[in-house]
Amino acid sequence: RKEVEQDPGPFNVPEGATVAFNCTYSNSASQSFFWYRQDCRKEPKLLMSVYSSGNEDGRFTAQLNRASQYISLLIRDSKLSDSATYLCVVNVMNYGGSQGNLIFGKGTKLSVKP
Amino acid sequence: EPEVTQTPSHQVTQMGQEVILRCVPISNHLYFYWYRQILGQKVEFLVSFYNNEISEKSEIFDDQFSVERPDGSNFTLKIRSTKLEDSAMYFCASIRDTEAFFGQGTRLTVV
Repeated sequence: RKEVEQDPGPFNVPEGATVAFNCTYSNSASQSFFWYRQDCRKEPKLLMSVYSSGNEDGRFTAQLNRASQYISLLIRDSKLSDSATYLCVVNVMNYGGSQGNLIFGKGTKLSVKP
Repeated sequence: EPEVTQTPSHQVTQMGQEVILRCVPISNHLYFYWYRQILGQKVEFLVSFYNNEISEKSEIFDDQFSVERPDGSNFTLKIRSTKLEDSAMYFCASIRDTEAFFGQGTRLTVV
């Protein structure tokens, strides 16, 4: 079973649409959760961290369900500039609790059309 | 804003040659990572480095790979004898708390 799974898309949506991405992770020891954005041939950049209580940043809302090992990202009122690949990322801590490494999903490609 | 810088941005090398990819992490960060991304595939963990030693490595990071922090600022990834399948984008990252800051990457092309 893959460690972090995402729907690869592509999601093709019109401007102004609401779009939701889902992600599941297999390692129950995962401690921290993130959504990164990656533009074509660029480095990943942090979009937002994901907290158990859910969190919102403008048009973006992230949710975490630890029991189901499920993470989601909702984008409202999508813009042309939202077109990118969205990466679901989990941090699995090392034994002893020291900084672990980030495990990436393959990403979901979003294309927002005029 | 501090950033992670990587050089070169693009390197073309012949199969069997050694390459060194360089990274300057953000100065007050303590954890450093190398990731790679083969074109069209996902970002894959290679190795993490803390306190001047490897803290974790993946199965990709075999004897052909090594990392160093020779002078307290640069963080290098060496591939001793490159193979065609090493062609990828290599990203360096440094981490503060749990947020990872990535460099712009080095595109390695092995021919």
